[in-house]
Amino acid sequence: EGQLLESGGSLVRPGGSLRLSCAASGFTFSNSAMNWVRQAPGKGLEWVSMMTGTYNTYYTDSVEGRFTISRDNSMNTLFLEMNSLRVEDTALYYCAKGGPQPRPFDFWGQGTLVTVSS
Amino acid sequence: SYVLTQAHSVSAAPGQTARITCGGNNLGSKNVHWYQQKPGQAPVMVIYDDSDRPSGIPERFSGSNSDNTATLTISRVEAGDEADYYCQVWDSSTTHPVFGGGTKLTVL
Repeated sequence: EGQLLESGGSLVRPGGSLRLSCAASGFTFSNSAMNWVRQAPGKGLEWVSMMTGTYNTYYTDSVEGRFTISRDNSMNTLFLEMNSLRVEDTALYYCAKGGPQPRPFDFWGQGTLVTVSS
Repeated sequence: SYVLTQAHSVSAAPGQTARITCGGNNLGSKNVHWYQQKPGQAPVMVIYDDSDRPSGIPERFSGSNSDNTATLTISRVEAGDEADYYCQVWDSSTTHPVFGGGTKLTVL
């Protein structure tokens, strides 16, 4: 089983921007579908975005147009560019290997915390 | 969009059997996956494709899926099984994954 290590989370003002990274190891990253899943404090899991191994991208409605997922296969790294951040984007953001449908999320990183507050 | 419904909480005494259900329209036609999340930890897949168990997951964990309900069954419950459990499927109309709201398992 591989490993995923997220970074980049921090405190940011509403309307601000942030870039999250997820460093992957122990599996063939380049042909793997990768995802961002978030969890607001005390709440359940919410899928945010996916990029397939063929660079197709998908977003949940609430982040469409504000967030951009990308990957650098030479660095085995997944990114999430987050713009126009809102208070409701506050969450622990997990990187997870999985999909596309109907495949499960095989394994997850430990998460990076994004706090949007004035 | 597709909705998965889970009970907020379930409890079981050590050694007993815990059953955690997940409801959805015609759920039996989809592949259901289950994740365990212990406090302060990342989710871990415990069942995939309705009833398959990843390596390293105890045989005490099993799953089934029929009609409108999928069930995660934990036999001989242990204190270490106390966690939140989430079911997940893919919404074929949006091609997006969907999670249930999660069920907290309390070991009495």
